[in-house]
Amino acid sequence: GAVVSQHPSWVICKSGTSVKIECRSLDFQATTMFWYRQFPKQSLMLMATSNEGSKATYEQGVEKDKFLINHASLTLSTLTVTSAHPEDSSFYICSASPHKGQGNTEAFFGQGTRLTVV
Amino acid sequence: GENVEQHPSTLSVQEGDSAVIKCTYSDSASNYFPWYKQELGKGPQLIIDIRSNVGEKKDQRIAVTLNKTAKHFSLHITETQPEDSAVYFCAASMDQAGTALIFGKGTTLSVSS
Repeated sequence: GAVVSQHPSWVICKSGTSVKIECRSLDFQATTMFWYRQFPKQSLMLMATSNEGSKATYEQGVEKDKFLINHASLTLSTLTVTSAHPEDSSFYICSASPHKGQGNTEAFFGQGTRLTVV
Repeated sequence: GENVEQHPSTLSVQEGDSAVIKCTYSDSASNYFPWYKQELGKGPQLIIDIRSNVGEKKDQRIAVTLNKTAKHFSLHITETQPEDSAVYFCAASMDQAGTALIFGKGTTLSVSS
């Protein structure tokens, strides 16, 4: 199957700093990528939809100025957690769907990034 | 918007037994229903999916059934093995590229030997 690579797999940062997480589709082009957040023993909650070449669409309750998303190419989306605080500590997961016209809806997930803010 | 309910939240079975996890969805426009397996500290892995033009799909020990009228779908795992122990998530969406998946709350499956 297709491969989505997420980096880093874990990161520890100090409160007030910013952290960038990368999501890459390695063997297909992705017009759309999705960012999810998962708290321990909970489900994946959609944060935003990242669209190549345009602004991301954020879910209700997600601060777009805090979670900056950039989708500059068909294989890379980045999520930057700005001015991180301990409550931002979570497991962040991206997924990517193939470029329209190349396939169906199947979503491929990255391995996730464990963010710990101290 | 779509809402997906998943039951049970935890499931413990003996090795060799079958396990069944059930999900219901609210949006009749949804027509793509994947199931994911997630191991601790890792991203979800697709194990099987079904689209609304079929009622059942099977892949070795795993099967999924869909009742579109009742808006529910189920995952069936037969001859369970300890390595099947993980968290399983159902999801629903429209079958269009670029549509986000909405997930159920997950089922923690424990298979004891």
